[in-house]
Amino acid sequence: EVQLVESGGDLVQPGESLRLSCAASGFTFSNYWMHWVRQAPGKGLVWVSRINGGGSTTTYADSVKGRFTISRDNAKNTLYLQMDSLRAEDTAVYYCARADATMFGNWGQGTLVTVSS
Amino acid sequence: DIVMTQSPDSLAVSLGERATINCKSSQSILYSSNNKNYLTWYQQKPGQPPKQLIYWASTRGSGVPDRFSGSGSGTDFTLTISSLQVEDVAVYYCQQYYSAPPGFGQGTKVEIK
Repeated sequence: EVQLVESGGDLVQPGESLRLSCAASGFTFSNYWMHWVRQAPGKGLVWVSRINGGGSTTTYADSVKGRFTISRDNAKNTLYLQMDSLRAEDTAVYYCARADATMFGNWGQGTLVTVSS
Repeated sequence: DIVMTQSPDSLAVSLGERATINCKSSQSILYSSNNKNYLTWYQQKPGQPPKQLIYWASTRGSGVPDRFSGSGSGTDFTLTISSLQVEDVAVYYCQQYYSAPPGFGQGTKVEIK
């Protein structure tokens, strides 16, 4: 069974950093593109970033480019999102999702990031 | 970037009646080489992650009830719930995966009238 478990969400002040993790199990992690999607409270889904199976190719939404860094450790079956220079508008539940040919068949439960002074 | 626009933002339907949600992409998401539309639909209930319902615009996911159906091609797509049930109360999102970034529609909230 595919499982994705996010962790690392917290309450931080504007300008601070946070690293999210997504532990994957039940599939060959290195074979899949992985994505981060976020959802602000009461709002819709917003794609954030993606990384290919080998970790060599990454893409970011314009809203996080230059501040967030996606990475993965295939030996640990773990996906990461390093978030720097956090802003109030980054407040959201962050989901990791596994992508296959038809996009996101598997999602984690999400981890809440709150940016507030 | 391809922009996805859903309509309506919300709708209230009586139990057992039909619910129809529309999704429009800013450019065609039909890939001519395989004649597939790169569109998926998700259902999200409160406090839960999204669940994939439909992919390739019209293929139901495993275990998805057959009252859910997807249609359309090119730039215009529809998700239909043929007979609304209580458990279908949720927000529904379309997403294109034709090109990066894989953007979502803004969501449509379905409630019971």
